[in-house]
Formats: sequence, structure tokens, C-alpha cells
Amino acid sequence: AQTVTQSQPEMSVQEAETVTLSCTYDTSESNYYLFWYKQPPSRQMILVIRQEAYKQQNATENRFSVNFQKAAKSFSLKISDSQLGDTAMYFCAFGPNFGNEKLTFGTGTRLTIIP
Amino acid sequence: DVKVTQSSRYLVKRTGEKVFLECVQDMDHENMFWYRQDPGLGLRLIYFSYDVKMKEKGDIPEGYSVSREKKERFSLILESASTNQTSMYLCASTTGGYRNQPQHFGDGTRLSIL
Repeated sequence: AQTVTQSQPEMSVQEAETVTLSCTYDTSESNYYLFWYKQPPSRQMILVIRQEAYKQQNATENRFSVNFQKAAKSFSLKISDSQLGDTAMYFCAFGPNFGNEKLTFGTGTRLTIIP
Repeated sequence: DVKVTQSSRYLVKRTGEKVFLECVQDMDHENMFWYRQDPGLGLRLIYFSYDVKMKEKGDIPEGYSVSREKKERFSLILESASTNQTSMYLCASTTGGYRNQPQHFGDGTRLSIL
């Protein structure tokens, strides 16, 4: 069974700074998907970024980028030029390549952007 | 845009009651999921369904059941609610097939069992 570990329960940074959220996972599969989801306070969970394990290039979405280290089973999220709207819970998730689309989520990191 | 609608944002019930949480999606997605979210535990999968009338247990199915009679609707049932089922419940949906497509979530139902 896969496991996903987020070792930082809470983080805070000043607005406009760069912050990196850590995620490690454990799997015996060679191909899979990794996700970062964002859950703003009292709002809907949304996808931030998605990485396919067979792609070596790190995924990027505007100010959000990942550092995917397959051998180390590490998948960190970097948020550049952080904004107040980035304040949220961030969840890392693992998804298999085949089968039923089940995701395994980490325990989350609560990120606060300080004005 | 995909819309996943959960019937209630907040719900208060008493122990022993039978509780129904409803979820509807409007994008003809094959897969639907029910999660429970608790502080420090993240999201844990209760049940999921990959087709009408099809269901599979997730990681914590005890005390719950589900129903999917129509493709767009997935219901979570607490057969006899207990205080340890007080939690945030999230519904999600995604299209089926390979390549693990992103899940789309509802707003969540914060359920309190008294």
C-alpha cells in the first residue's frame, strides 16, 4: 500500500516570499501520478498541480512548481511570490497509473501568508 | 466547469440516527468518492464508486454504506450515527480510464453527531 507523508503540519511566510512544502511517498510502482491540492479556509478543495511520474520534467503552473525526485520519492511544492490568497491547507496525494483512480492523501500542511 | 454539489454544508444529528449525505455531479463522471477529513489525519477514503450500482470499500468503511442508483448521484449513509463520526465529509468525482485524472471536490459537509 502507498503512503504519503507531509512532515510540516504548519508553515507561515511573509507575503511575496517563496515557500516550499515537503512531501514524500512510498510505492513499489514505477509509473504513477502525484498531485498537490489546495483547500482555502471554508472553501472547496482544488487541484494546484499534477505530475506524471514517467515525465522527468517538473510540472509548473504559474507561481507553483514542483521538485520531483523520483529516486528519493520526494515531491515538494514551491510557491513563488506568495500572495494572501495562497493561505490554505495543502495536501499532497498519490494516484496509481492503472485501476480505479483512488488517491492516497497526506495529512496536509497549513500554510499562512502573513501580510 | 465541473460542479460537485453536496446537499448540506452543516448538519447536526443525534446518536443512533440514520444520516444521509448526498452528492451530485454534473459532468457525467464515472468515478465518485466519499472522504472523511479530520485534523492531523488528512483525507481518508470511505467508499468509492466507478459505475452505477458499483461500489468498493475504501480505507475506513466501517459504520458507513453508500448508494449509487444514478450516475450523477452518490449517497453516503451512516446507518446508526455515533459521536466518533463527527467530521468533515468531502465528495469528489473524476472521469474514468487511465492516466488518473484530477478529482473535483464538493464544498464539504460538516457533520456533528450529538
